[in-house]
Amino acid sequence: AQSVAQPEDQVNVAEGNPLTVKCTYSVSGNPYLFWYVQYPNRGLQFLLKYITGDNLVKGSYGFEAEFNKSQTSFHLKKPSALVSDSALYFCAVRDSLNGATNKLIFGTGTLLAVQP
Amino acid sequence: GAVVSQHPSWVICKSGTSVKIECRSLDFQATTMFWYRQFPKQSLMLMATSNEGSKATYEQGVEKDKFLINHASLTLSTLTVTSAHPEDSSFYICSARGGAGGLNTQYFGPGTRLTVL
Repeated sequence: AQSVAQPEDQVNVAEGNPLTVKCTYSVSGNPYLFWYVQYPNRGLQFLLKYITGDNLVKGSYGFEAEFNKSQTSFHLKKPSALVSDSALYFCAVRDSLNGATNKLIFGTGTLLAVQP
Repeated sequence: GAVVSQHPSWVICKSGTSVKIECRSLDFQATTMFWYRQFPKQSLMLMATSNEGSKATYEQGVEKDKFLINHASLTLSTLTVTSAHPEDSSFYICSARGGAGGLNTQYFGPGTRLTVL
């Protein structure tokens, strides 16, 4: 069965400092990994994805994530946080294995709070 | 393109009435669309997967007769909450697979806030 875990309910960081939002996953085959951001009362916005290739993936708004197969992790990072980055971040995974569920499974979300 | 719209963005209705929510992929064709429900401060719960021209596949515990899904075209899926009750109040989000990110990427609509009085 596939699953994804976001161990932190909330991450606090000062503006200008680097940020990391953690995500680990479990799948039977190879993972398709995604990060989405949600602002209050809005849908999810796609940030970035890892399907194959380079382990370091760059996405929207200066965010990046690194796929680490040995640690089954896909942590979201940004070198310098902005107050406007404050939002709810979701990690999601889908199993590429034929016959596995084709559903996108979401983590519980991490609230990022960037203090000015 | 990868824009998904939902209408209405919010709706308030009386208990016992039915509410229809539309989901459109504006600049791409989506053979598969998804409907999610989100409770406050919680993650998204997949309700059903909708394929164009065929019946939707509902997740366990989701009443198909209560949450009617129609995917009549490659750009439109609708969710009808029939005989709505206060416990159906929630944030409903649709998603479409395809667009600029290819078939591996899902893009989400802005959500519809349903309040049943």
